[in-house]
Amino acid sequence: AQTVTQSQPEMSVQEAETVTLSCTYDTSESDYYLFWYKQPPSRQMILVIRQEAYKQQNATENRFSVNFQKAAKSFSLKISDSQLGDAAMYFCAYSKTSYDKVIFGPGTSLSVIP
Amino acid sequence: GAGVSQSPSNKVTEKGKDVELRCDPISGHTALYWYRQRLGQGLEFLIYFQGNSAPDKSGLPSDRFSAERTGESVSTLTIQRTQQEDSAVYLCASSHPLAGGREQYFGPGTRLTVT
Repeated sequence: AQTVTQSQPEMSVQEAETVTLSCTYDTSESDYYLFWYKQPPSRQMILVIRQEAYKQQNATENRFSVNFQKAAKSFSLKISDSQLGDAAMYFCAYSKTSYDKVIFGPGTSLSVIP
Repeated sequence: GAGVSQSPSNKVTEKGKDVELRCDPISGHTALYWYRQRLGQGLEFLIYFQGNSAPDKSGLPSDRFSAERTGESVSTLTIQRTQQEDSAVYLCASSHPLAGGREQYFGPGTRLTVT
């Protein structure tokens, strides 16, 4: 069965600095999707970034980028120039390309220090 | 267009009562998910509907929990004989299985408090 692990329950970063959140997953599939979702205190979950496994190029969205290491089954999120609004829970998630449920990791709580 | 909506936004109920939570997905989204999120915790998968296929109920914690979906529209999550440990935020999400890499769009959640 597929699993998603986030080994950092809590992280903190100084405003304007860079932070990396870790995620590892387990799958026997060769093609799949990986996601990072953000949940601020308002509890509204929003998609931060998405990676398709067959694409070797790491996805980027403005200040957010990923380091996708397929062989190592690692999918870390890098936040550059951290802002106070980045403070939130961050969830890593996995899904097959076929019709199947999305699997979430336990989350990492990110604090941004002014 | 409109996003995923959930009602009520907050529900306080007495232990032992039944509750119904409602989710309206984005039009055209054939996949619908229910999750439970206890305070300070991650997302706990409950149930997944995909089109007309049999739902994946593998996450329902007990037979007090059930969910229905009418076609590809509204879904209701029912909790019978509520217990205090059922207190949590219940999140609904929908997605299109082919478009957007299966991104999930989440509703604002229903906060359930069992007293």
